[in-house]
Amino acid sequence: DAKTTQPPSMDCAEGRAANLPCNHSTISGNEYVYWYRQIHSQGPQYIIHGLKNNETNEMASLIITEDRKSSTLILPHATLRDTAVYYCIVKAAGGSYIPTFGRGTSLIVHP
Amino acid sequence: ETGVTQSPTHLIKTRGQQVTLRCSSQSGHNTVSWYQQALGQGPQFIFQYYREEENGRGNFPPRFSGLQFPNYSSELNVNALELDDSALYLCASSLDPGFTDTQYFGPGTRLTVL
Repeated sequence: DAKTTQPPSMDCAEGRAANLPCNHSTISGNEYVYWYRQIHSQGPQYIIHGLKNNETNEMASLIITEDRKSSTLILPHATLRDTAVYYCIVKAAGGSYIPTFGRGTSLIVHP
Repeated sequence: ETGVTQSPTHLIKTRGQQVTLRCSSQSGHNTVSWYQQALGQGPQFIFQYYREEENGRGNFPPRFSGLQFPNYSSELNVNALELDDSALYLCASSLDPGFTDTQYFGPGTRLTVL
């Protein structure tokens, strides 16, 4: 599975949009982009995933570039409860299963 | 619908001992994956079980072993504990191991090896 690169930390004001970038320049055609987050001392929580089209759900939006080499997770109106470590991973549908979590981006939402 | 549960929540062992961690998967899920998360690091994949068979393994030595039961619950066993095994152990379940499987994580077991 392809590796990802994320900034180690970001901050955002409460109520503003948080835009978290992820580079996955070696992504293969059959690999999906997944986002998870981990609030301190809890297990990771699934947020959203996509292949090549932009996706939106009740938690966030995922924007994938046309060449699929990078993506951005958007939290449209960040709250204090969104403070967490955000992980971007890529993995193929099927095949051998070795998901790779990097260190993620530590997002701090401040009042 | 019940979520993923893990037991115990915390555990303290000494070097050389053996430990068994348990995970109950979310209702309807037949796939369980185990991860080790050291402090300040992302989760590292240990292995996955699908319908009671190992279905992929990360870079962990054979003293890390597992089981999945007919009800899809799972155990992680670690023999000959080392100090570096101190970590948060996470279990995640999913509907199946293949196509776009979304994983649902449990709260983890915090293992401390002294």
